[in-house]
Amino acid sequence: QQQVKQSPQSLIVQKGGISIINCAYENTAFDYFPWYQQFPGKGPALLIAIRPDVSEKKEGRFTISFNKSAKQFSLHIMDSQPGDSATYFCAAKLSGGYNKLIFGAGTRLAVHP
Amino acid sequence: NAGVTQTPKFQVLKTGQSMTLQCAQDMNHEYMSWYRQDPGMGLRLIHYSVGAGITDQGEVPNGYNVSRSTTEDFPLRLLSAAPSQTSVYFCASSYSPAGGRPYTDTQYFGPGTRLTVL
Repeated sequence: QQQVKQSPQSLIVQKGGISIINCAYENTAFDYFPWYQQFPGKGPALLIAIRPDVSEKKEGRFTISFNKSAKQFSLHIMDSQPGDSATYFCAAKLSGGYNKLIFGAGTRLAVHP
Repeated sequence: NAGVTQTPKFQVLKTGQSMTLQCAQDMNHEYMSWYRQDPGMGLRLIHYSVGAGITDQGEVPNGYNVSRSTTEDFPLRLLSAAPSQTSVYFCASSYSPAGGRPYTDTQYFGPGTRLTVL
């Protein structure tokens, strides 16, 4: 019940296209849903995050869409660029106490020029 | 600020050897944690600490020990390495809600240690 399921495992997008990565969860006690971006040889870094009281959050070319009733959330990257090529992880945090993150398996995105 | 630092970057061990992975942060964060990253499995929490002297187990604690004697440092010990512990290890830190500062759930990750156990 603490799992976060992420799809697809890998994604190839042409420059200028839209990249979409989806995540689903079961536990309704999650209260924070971040997306982390990881470049090869580096640690993950927070990209964007959302709380379940809003349905969408946008920061530049990156948007999180959140569907509380369906227990799903997704990352949209508009006008994808080769520099966006990285692995993306969705995650969820249980409410209360330590901010323990449950991560999805990751999506490797390649943006071709 | 250096942020979260980890040493070593790479390590090769033989089965049964012991070693300590070092993690330090200079952001005065109360929370620190260790994750392992394996292909197709995302990051999984090994151990975490909510402050100096306080540690607890995460999802995959077996085979690992931790201690937290200072706010800055959070070492991870492998007492008897096994091939199943071959992985990339990340340390992370973050603020606590009780820290008296504007709270954020953001976790800051170090650059990782790639460990191979033969």
